[in-house]
Amino acid sequence: AQSVTQLGSHVSVSEGALVLLRCNYSSSVPPYLFWYVQYPNQGLQLLLKYTSAATLVKGINGFEAEFKKSETSFHLTKPSAHMSDAAEYFCAVSDFGNEKLTFGTGTRLTIIP
Amino acid sequence: GAVVSQHPSWVICKSGTSVKIECRSLDFQATTMFWYRQFPKQSLMLMATSNEGSKATYEQGVEKDKFLINHASLTLSTLTVTSAHPEDSSFYICSAHETSQETQYFGPGTRLLVL
Repeated sequence: AQSVTQLGSHVSVSEGALVLLRCNYSSSVPPYLFWYVQYPNQGLQLLLKYTSAATLVKGINGFEAEFKKSETSFHLTKPSAHMSDAAEYFCAVSDFGNEKLTFGTGTRLTIIP
Repeated sequence: GAVVSQHPSWVICKSGTSVKIECRSLDFQATTMFWYRQFPKQSLMLMATSNEGSKATYEQGVEKDKFLINHASLTLSTLTVTSAHPEDSSFYICSAHETSQETQYFGPGTRLLVL
């Protein structure tokens, strides 16, 4: 069975500071990993995904994530936070060949001016 | 590319009535779509998997007679909340699986308020 743990339900960073959102997963087979962002009253937008190609994945809006098999992690980072990054971020995992996603509980990112 | 739409974006209805929500993949075909429910400040809860041309697969605890799902074409799935009650008020989100990209793309969501 798959599972996703997002450490920190709330993260606050200053504008211009590094953003680090943590995601750890468990999966019995090589996983596909995703980060989605949700703005208030909207659906989810795909930020980036890992599907067994390069371990460092670059996404939209300057975000990137690194797949570390030894640590079963897929943390999301951005070098310099912008006010527009304030949103809810969800990490999700699926198994190869399984279309169903398992979501983490989400991390609310607040940007301090 | 990979755009998913939902209609309506919000709906208010009286208790006891039925409400239909449409989910469309606009620029790709999707044999599999998913319906989620999201409570305030919580993660998404998968309700059911919608399969084109066959019956939907419901998650444990989801009433299939209450939440009717139809996936009649490769670009359209519908969720009908039958005999809606105030406790059905929620934010409903659909997604469509883009097979070549092995990725789910999400609609903008539908907010349902049952009075």
